[in-house]
Amino acid sequence: SQQGEEDPQALSIQEGENATMNCSYKTSINNLQWYRQNSGRGLVHLILIRSNEREKHSGRLRVTLDTSKKSSSLLITASRAADTASYFCATDATNAGKSTFGDGTTLTVKP
Amino acid sequence: DTGVSQDPRHKITKRGQNVTFRCDPISEHNRLYWYRQTLGQGPEFLTYFQNEAQLEKSRLLSDRFSAERPKGSFSTLEIQRTEQGDSAMYLCASSFSRLNTEAFFGQGTRLTVV
Repeated sequence: SQQGEEDPQALSIQEGENATMNCSYKTSINNLQWYRQNSGRGLVHLILIRSNEREKHSGRLRVTLDTSKKSSSLLITASRAADTASYFCATDATNAGKSTFGDGTTLTVKP
Repeated sequence: DTGVSQDPRHKITKRGQNVTFRCDPISEHNRLYWYRQTLGQGPEFLTYFQNEAQLEKSRLLSDRFSAERPKGSFSTLEIQRTEQGDSAMYLCASSFSRLNTEAFFGQGTRLTVV
């Protein structure tokens, strides 16, 4: 079974609006990462947040991490049609050598 | 730096045939990962290498699957006696082995077993 679960499974918004996606996980982690995947393509790394960090920003992206609740959120501000993609969270569990992915949130941004 | 390269991008094969995929990681990266992704799902871990050593294999990697990284550079993933359930996107990624480092993914190989 997957470590992370994203919520919602699908999200549809208008261009210019903000999009928020959530991720919950089960075990202790070293870090949590967010990736984007356009249809039929590989994954693009967006941001990594370490277990001792609570918030991180990169351009229009804001990620929060709450290790006490084992959850993270990804906020995309001022969304654009080009942001349409699937977004996945992935966790690197403590003492694990690989990332474990959730099933993603499919974001549609309407122009 | 050309990123992670996978070949072929698409493969259609008949059930029962063997297929082999290749992954060329970013040259400085000593870790290489294989994942499988089916439609509507997130990537599922298959196996990973540190240099030429295969350090972990998922239970998903049945006896029909084998992966190698003979010189610690490129890697191959072979599926023997393919089944329709093997149809998926096979993704390769590479990274440094230090803690809290990002992985870079290739474009994937789309396998269709007919």
